[in-house]
Amino acid sequence: SQQGEEDPQALSIQEGENATMNCSYKTSINNLQWYRQNSGRGLVHLILIRSNEREKHSGRLRVTLDTSKKSSSLLITASRAADTASYFCATAPDSSYKLIFGSGTRLLVRP
Amino acid sequence: NAGVTQTPKFQVLKTGQSMTLQCAQDMNHEYMSWYRQDPGMGLRLIHYSVGAGITDQGEVPNGYNVSRSTTEDFPLRLLSAAPSQTSVYFCASRPTRVNEKLLFGSGTQLSVL
Repeated sequence: SQQGEEDPQALSIQEGENATMNCSYKTSINNLQWYRQNSGRGLVHLILIRSNEREKHSGRLRVTLDTSKKSSSLLITASRAADTASYFCATAPDSSYKLIFGSGTRLLVRP
Repeated sequence: NAGVTQTPKFQVLKTGQSMTLQCAQDMNHEYMSWYRQDPGMGLRLIHYSVGAGITDQGEVPNGYNVSRSTTEDFPLRLLSAAPSQTSVYFCASRPTRVNEKLLFGSGTQLSVL
């Protein structure tokens, strides 16, 4: 099974609202990363949070990490129609070169 | 600087055929990897490489071979294609072995009939 599991699987919101996606993982990690995928395209890196960090911001993105609960959340504030995409968390396990992806959240932002 | 280039973009194979998916990067990245993405699912790691001559298995390596003879190229070989290998394949690289952000290619959509 995959390391990261995201919920919800799908999310539909109105433009201007905030979108929150959650990711849970199983093993200890070095860092956790979030990626975005527009339909049919390659993934684009959004933000990386290290295991010793609890919160990180980048523009309208806010990521939190709780290593005790093995979970992370991605908040997109003031969403726009252009934010419509799939969002994936990816974990970098300790002592590993691998980056393991979750199953993703499909976000639809309605104009 | 073209980034990560994958060829072909689309391919249709018959069961039992072999083919090679190409991946090249011009950024002197040490780490390269292959993922597959099935409909509505996340990415699963097939193989990865931490440098020329060094490769290792990911989560789903069966049915795939890789080699890394140069820093730039990391081809993925399907020796005898099966319908279960119908998927979108992504190549990704990063500058070093350190597990930082990946840069993805645009993908190869493969159908095995």
